[in-house]
Amino acid sequence: DSGVTQTPKHLITATGQRVTLRCSPRSGDLSVYWYQQSLDQGLQFLIQYYNGEERAKGNILERFSAQQFPDLHSELNLSSLELGDSALYFCASSDRRGGGGYTFGSGTRLTVV
Amino acid sequence: SQQGEEDPQALSIQEGENATMNCSYKTSINNLQWYRQNSGRGLVHLILIRSNEREKHSGRLRVTLDTSKKSSSLLITASRAADTASYFCATDEGSTLGRLYFGRGTQLTVWP
Repeated sequence: DSGVTQTPKHLITATGQRVTLRCSPRSGDLSVYWYQQSLDQGLQFLIQYYNGEERAKGNILERFSAQQFPDLHSELNLSSLELGDSALYFCASSDRRGGGGYTFGSGTRLTVV
Repeated sequence: SQQGEEDPQALSIQEGENATMNCSYKTSINNLQWYRQNSGRGLVHLILIRSNEREKHSGRLRVTLDTSKKSSSLLITASRAADTASYFCATDEGSTLGRLYFGRGTQLTVWP
């Protein structure tokens, strides 16, 4: 157990649907990062939150949104799902400076059919 | 966005041999990190080397960094079958925000 909890582990849904992925960071970590991992694109940075505020945005589609709540857990919302959104979605957390490296969750495997 | 590029894409060796993976990047960095990922699992942080460091060791891992060549290498000595995994380098591209950019990884297979 890395200390970062992601739910659900697996998700199968149809095109056009909306899903929410949840992440609880490691205790004490204020930064949360979301990544998408697919075979053709590799690990793509989506978005970062720090203590409830959006800190940086990467290759996140407009159909995707995220937020970090006062208890520091984060949710990634994916809407109008397409087949190409099928991927592993990882959440990672780090301390204030991130200098010690990320702690990753075990990921949510999303399959869009 | 810039990413580290690992080389080779795949590496296959016997137990007991050393495995060397390389990473090249394009921008200035504050630090470079290496991660390991077992198939379908989350990434695990292995080691971080700062831009003012040239070499770092952790157990059977040795990482070097050459900022003039914008390259790093990860050496795993006396490899074991359990080292079979994908290995990724990640850089901060000089940002202090904390976000990392990952390469596509090297798939290491260690045969017993």
